[in-house]
Amino acid sequence: GAVVSQHPSWVICKSGTSVKIECRSLDFQATTMFWYRQFPKQSLMLMATSNEGSKATYEQGVEKDKFLINHASLTLSTLTVTSAHPEDSSFYICSANFPGAGTEAFFGQGTRLTVV
Amino acid sequence: GQQVMQIPQYQHVQEGEDFTTYCNSSTTLSNIQWYKQRPGGHPVFLIQLVKSGEVKKQKRLTFQFGEAKKNSSLHITATQTTDVGTYFCAGQGGGNTPLVFGKGTRLSVIA
Repeated sequence: GAVVSQHPSWVICKSGTSVKIECRSLDFQATTMFWYRQFPKQSLMLMATSNEGSKATYEQGVEKDKFLINHASLTLSTLTVTSAHPEDSSFYICSANFPGAGTEAFFGQGTRLTVV
Repeated sequence: GQQVMQIPQYQHVQEGEDFTTYCNSSTTLSNIQWYKQRPGGHPVFLIQLVKSGEVKKQKRLTFQFGEAKKNSSLHITATQTTDVGTYFCAGQGGGNTPLVFGKGTRLSVIA
């Protein structure tokens, strides 16, 4: 089946630094990818919709200047957490829909970010 | 905006007992999907329901989509320890709109 690869799977960074997370569709082209945030024992909260070749669509309350999304190719979307703070520590996960497979979402493995 | 409510939040069962989680949307859905997330893992797609009143089965799992396409349920018969995890429903309003996830039901199975 379709595979979405996310990297890194975990990262620890110092407060004030930036962290980039990559989401790749390995065997298909994804014009749209979605970025979610999941706090421990909580549900997935949609942060933004990443559109290839255009600006991302952010959900209400998500700071676009803090969570920079770039979808420069049909197989890669990146999420950069800028000037990270401890409250940004969370599980970030991306998903993509496989063309022709309806709206089933294929998720990456997720990235656990810890800001110290 | 669209909201998806899911209950219960937690469910502890003895192995062999049945389990059901319920999902209700504030708006009519084009489809509803179910995902399972094991502890430390990422959500994995289980099934998609599209038609009003649809019922689908996967071995011990039975999925239902309500007639009004606003609610859904997942029922597991005779739970096993391998069923442990969090089950999420996710609704889609239509077109290429993003999935809206319920809060999930965490299932623990006591052997």
